[in-house]
Amino acid sequence: NAGVTQTPKFRILKIGQSMTLQCTQDMNHNYMYWYRQDPGMGLKLIYYSVGAGITDKGEVPNGYNVSRSTTEDFPLRLELAAPSQTSVYFCASSYAGGSYTFGSGTRLTVV
Amino acid sequence: AQTVTQSQPEMSVQEAETVTLSCTYDTSESNYYLFWYKQPPSRQMILVIRQEAYKQQNATENRFSVNFQKAAKSFSLKISDSQLGDTAMYFCAFMKPYNDMRFGAGTRLTVKP
Repeated sequence: NAGVTQTPKFRILKIGQSMTLQCTQDMNHNYMYWYRQDPGMGLKLIYYSVGAGITDKGEVPNGYNVSRSTTEDFPLRLELAAPSQTSVYFCASSYAGGSYTFGSGTRLTVV
Repeated sequence: AQTVTQSQPEMSVQEAETVTLSCTYDTSESNYYLFWYKQPPSRQMILVIRQEAYKQQNATENRFSVNFQKAAKSFSLKISDSQLGDTAMYFCAFMKPYNDMRFGAGTRLTVKP
């Protein structure tokens, strides 16, 4: 019972580099989400998807892109990394907008 | 837009005692869900308790219970018989059906031996 799997767990990027954060769930959930967690700020929604082929912006989408080609996978792409993107990133999934199941998070540092 | 406010950035409690974490929210909706999530040092987000707004009865899960005051838009979490393993960040969250979850800034709880 894997639940929501995020990789990598830690990453250091240089300014201007790009990377993809991977997220996979095996619960057949239709809804998937990406959040970032900054100290003292709670979690802010970056992007979300209500099903394969459907994505939409959240509160803080600038500097990120997503795709949802399958029910299971929802990767988050960072283009031209900036220090402001230093954060902890969480992927989550739910069935029909119910309680979330979270991944274990990715700590990203941009230097 | 819905907002969630946790007015206590940090709290502490002695082991075996009871502590209450506060949460208020702002919404014009009548149907919604409220949650408390726990985030221990491992960083994992763990669902503690969930409340449906249409239910008058307060949710309970073992040592965890809530005081849901719909008219006051208040949703506090009570932890009874606090244990060292309860030390964590606690996040209050609000969600309209079929929408995303909105989180408060969190309360850092320390349980002291």
